[in-house]
Amino acid sequence: QQQVKQSPQSLIVQKGGISIINCAYENTAFDYFPWYQQFPGKGPALLIAIRPDVSEKKEGRFTISFNKSAKQFSLHIMDSQPGDSATYFCAATDAGGTSYGKLTFGQGTILTVHP
Amino acid sequence: GAVVSQHPSRVICKSGTSVKIECRSLDFQATTMFWYRQFPKKSLMLMATSNEGSKATYEQGVEKDKFLINHASLTLSTLTVTSAHPEDSSFYICSARVLGGANVLTFGAGSRLTVL
Repeated sequence: QQQVKQSPQSLIVQKGGISIINCAYENTAFDYFPWYQQFPGKGPALLIAIRPDVSEKKEGRFTISFNKSAKQFSLHIMDSQPGDSATYFCAATDAGGTSYGKLTFGQGTILTVHP
Repeated sequence: GAVVSQHPSRVICKSGTSVKIECRSLDFQATTMFWYRQFPKKSLMLMATSNEGSKATYEQGVEKDKFLINHASLTLSTLTVTSAHPEDSSFYICSARVLGGANVLTFGAGSRLTVL
């Protein structure tokens, strides 16, 4: 019940295209859903996060879409750039509970943006 | 703000030795820090929750005697890999929750441990 399933495992997109990564969760206690970007040999960096009281959040080229009833959320990267090539992780946690900060991560998606 | 520093970034040690990795919150106080382990091309797996002034809480399957965690101050948590073996080689990453902050979790840059 703690799992977060992420797909696809890898994604290749042309420069300027849209990258879409999907995640699904099971634990209904999760109420904070961040996305992280990780470059090789570095720690993950927070990209954008959403709470289930909204269905969409946009920050620059990055948008999270959230479907509470389906227990799914996705990351859309508009106008993808070669510099966006990295591994992306979705995650989830119970922000209001004592376990806040104990993130459950998805399996990761390796994004490659071709010039 | 909210910077987490890890040291060392890379460490190579011989099998059987112990290695200490530090996680510091540089510009904020963190009552709680988290230690993750990441294998190559894999996801992050939570190892333990480090609480200032009390014992760490380990996730199921993590050997507490192998991975010693100490959180002696509001800005420092340490992970000691005792009697390291090649299978302990991994990328260890800490994160910290900002005290009193609104849902801010900051990750360190990670520490690459290689056990020969």
